[in-house]
Amino acid sequence: KNQVEQSPQSLIILEGKNCTLQCNYTVSPFSNLRWYKQDTGRGPVSLTIMTFSENTKSNGRYTATLDADTKQSSLHITASQLSDSASYICVVSAWEDSSYKLIFGSGTRLLVRP
Amino acid sequence: DTAVSQTPKYLVTQMGNDKSIKCEQNLGHDTMYWYKQDSKKFLKIMFSYNNKELIINETVPNRFSPKSPDKAHLNLHINSLELGDSAVYFCASSQELADYNYGYTFGSGTRLTVV
Repeated sequence: KNQVEQSPQSLIILEGKNCTLQCNYTVSPFSNLRWYKQDTGRGPVSLTIMTFSENTKSNGRYTATLDADTKQSSLHITASQLSDSASYICVVSAWEDSSYKLIFGSGTRLLVRP
Repeated sequence: DTAVSQTPKYLVTQMGNDKSIKCEQNLGHDTMYWYKQDSKKFLKIMFSYNNKELIINETVPNRFSPKSPDKAHLNLHINSLELGDSAVYFCASSQELADYNYGYTFGSGTRLTVV
């Protein structure tokens, strides 16, 4: 069964610190992997998209890595800011039953404290 | 502003009522979606339309009926609302169905509460 699991479920860090969020997936065949940021009361916003052949991709202070062999991805946030407080969702896309689908993790809830 | 906009943002209604949620995108995208985000925060696809044609229809009750009058609009009508329908519903759009290179653009959600 295609699944995406994220850890930790929630995380609290101090402003200015770095953190790393994890994503493991059992999706096959894999198409691409995305990280989204979802602020409270808003829709998810795309941070990075990586295909099978990409190992790392950056978007400002956000750096995503992908190991397609172990089916793991991480999102590293550098020098965290209060505005980074949000849920971070790992999404893997695949062709399932002849349909192209996004399979969502349940997210990591990050709280950045001053 | 180029965006996916959905209305209303909040909807509180009684069991048994019929309600609609509207969605519009001005991004020129060909594909639109409805997702449901449950209490555990998982987002699950409900429907997908490509150029006004239904492409994906996941296992959702027949009480849910999407309607796409044109490719910029995808509305969701729900009949005979039940307590279990309470969730946040997100509309989204993408350039094409298998959008390899670009992310999906999501609306800000409609929080539906059935009492």
